[in-house]
Amino acid sequence: GENVEQHPSTLSVQEGDSAVIKCTYSDSASNYFPWYKQELGKGPQLIIDIRSNVGEKKDQRIAVTLNKTAKHFSLHITETQPEDSAVYFCAASKGVTGGGNKLTFGTGTQLKVEL
Amino acid sequence: GAVVSQHPSRVICKSGTSVKIECRSLDFQATTMFWYRQFPKQSLMLMATSNEGSKATYEQGVEKDKFLINHASLTLSTLTVTSAHPEDSSFYICSAGGKGHQPQHFGDGTRLSIL
Repeated sequence: GENVEQHPSTLSVQEGDSAVIKCTYSDSASNYFPWYKQELGKGPQLIIDIRSNVGEKKDQRIAVTLNKTAKHFSLHITETQPEDSAVYFCAASKGVTGGGNKLTFGTGTQLKVEL
Repeated sequence: GAVVSQHPSRVICKSGTSVKIECRSLDFQATTMFWYRQFPKQSLMLMATSNEGSKATYEQGVEKDKFLINHASLTLSTLTVTSAHPEDSSFYICSAGGKGHQPQHFGDGTRLSIL
């Protein structure tokens, strides 16, 4: 089955700096890659997603890049703010949308943005 | 954005009690719902996938008689933890996926504590 590795497990940055979280996946058939942000005591919230027919996607301060050949994808957060502090999970799935398809999650990255 | 409501948010009960958790998609029809379990500082572990009107598909190692799942309508799925014991204490999270290109959206989780 699919295996998703995520690094780093913890990341501390100064406010205003950029943060990058990387994930690799094992199943070349995976074609949908969402990123979720989880705050303490809450469920994961979708922040951005990318499909395999696209190499990069951006939404304001957040961007995701995908390298299908190398089977890795990354989350980039620019101009970090204290409210960006949370646990971030990458995930991968096979299928058209990811909505009705099983997600395999990475192990999570605890991001801390310091003042 | 899509909203998934999960209730209750927290349950504390005695060993041997059965506990029902509800997951509702509030503004879209969820053809598929997923149930996850999350231990502290760990990733989400998929327990089962439920499709409206059919039996749930359980992941390996998850006892289907222990964790009963019902997905009777396109907006409601329930997870019943039967005869709960302290080792069942955990954070349970549901997600819902719609048709087409809708991604999965998560509820805010249920913290279950069995005394």
